[in-house]
Amino acid sequence: DAKTTQPNSMESNEEEPVHLPCNHSTISGTDYIHWYRQLPSQGPEYVIHGLTSNVNNRMASLAIAEDRKSSTLILHRATLRDAAVYYCIAHGGATNKLIFGTGTLLAVQP
Amino acid sequence: EAGVAQSPRYKIIEKRQSVAFWCNPISGHATLYWYQQILGQGPKLLIQFQNNGVVDDSQLPKDRFSAERLKGVDSTLKIQPAKLEDSAVYLCASSSYRGAYNEQFFGPGTRLTVL
Repeated sequence: DAKTTQPNSMESNEEEPVHLPCNHSTISGTDYIHWYRQLPSQGPEYVIHGLTSNVNNRMASLAIAEDRKSSTLILHRATLRDAAVYYCIAHGGATNKLIFGTGTLLAVQP
Repeated sequence: EAGVAQSPRYKIIEKRQSVAFWCNPISGHATLYWYQQILGQGPKLLIQFQNNGVVDDSQLPKDRFSAERLKGVDSTLKIQPAKLEDSAVYLCASSSYRGAYNEQFFGPGTRLTVL
């Protein structure tokens, strides 16, 4: 599993886009990039994952650099409910083992 | 679809006492995980089950922690005896099969305070 580096915290204004960066320079060719988020007093929840191509779902978009050494989670219009800790995880293999770092604490201002 | 259930939600004990946490995963999910989350840190995997077999328990402090999933459904995590540093949120998660694609679904956690 590759080590990931994220900023400790970020701020955004409500209804504006948010770009959360993640560096994973030691990622292997078979490692997936996963994003989970954890709202206050809740367990983490899945946001999105990808391997090489950019991905979109109802919650967010994931932009993966061509060399796969970095990725960006994009929240298109931040809401107050998006305030959470966002974890970027790069892993692969058959065990589905997630190794969480300390993540990015996103604050959303009204 | 019902989510991952955990109980109790909160527990306060004194050091050297024992405590047990219970988890009921999403129906049909073969893989079950227990994580420990210390305040200010990300969750750390303690043990992973595939059905009722252990896949990974490399981070489980086996001198005091134990876990079982006897019938491949619900699971119990026990600490005996507890130490002050065991104060944390214990999260249970489940997923539908082993592999790189599958999403893990987390329960709300049990907050343990050891005095």
